[in-house]
Amino acid sequence: EAGVTQFPSHSVIEKGQTVTLRCDPISGHDNLYWYRRVMGKEIKFLLHFVKESKQDESGMPNNRFLAERTGGTYSTLKVQPAELEDSGVYFCASSRRTSGSKDEQYFGPGTRLTVT
Amino acid sequence: AQKVTQAQTEISVVEKEDVTLDCVYETRDTTYYLFWYKQPPSGELVFLIRRNSFDEQNEISGRYSWNFQKSTSSFNFTITASQVVDSAVYFCALSVFTGGGNKLTFGTGTQLKVEL
Repeated sequence: EAGVTQFPSHSVIEKGQTVTLRCDPISGHDNLYWYRRVMGKEIKFLLHFVKESKQDESGMPNNRFLAERTGGTYSTLKVQPAELEDSGVYFCASSRRTSGSKDEQYFGPGTRLTVT
Repeated sequence: AQKVTQAQTEISVVEKEDVTLDCVYETRDTTYYLFWYKQPPSGELVFLIRRNSFDEQNEISGRYSWNFQKSTSSFNFTITASQVVDSAVYFCALSVFTGGGNKLTFGTGTQLKVEL
């Protein structure tokens, strides 16, 4: 079974440009999460999809971030326009649909975003 | 709100030493899950263990052991006879089911360096 994959692994862009990150979850996993780790701080939750629906987007920093999951498969996270403080590692995780907080999330390798 | 504190930013040990990574959590919920993840230099987050709030039994898996104490809100992780391959950043995390999902709240991580 393939794990969670993310593309690209690294991205370097200039301030003001647009970047789109992609996450392919494990097949059959309805839950998809985006997290971000900025500058050695804690990993912070951004949002959660159940299939194609946004279940919780309380962690999205601002309206420069747009996440989609059309068809309930892969997800994209677009940052437009990128700012310096958006630099960090963006992780995607997926899990099967379960009730309660038992949810075991499998993480991808992350995308390292550098905004210069 | 949930909070996870990993007070140890960095720990250095010599191979074969035992090392304990501390994790203290805060939550008002009575049902929750605690996790440990390992982030090796390659960058991905590797799931190590999940513990629910109703199970305070300590767990041992090879050289790894976990001590969960609700009385002190701690979930500490011990590596026995450490090896160079244990060098990584270790994250403790907490999950509470909010009805909208199971987002993880992470600590800031502990960088473990195991030297020869």
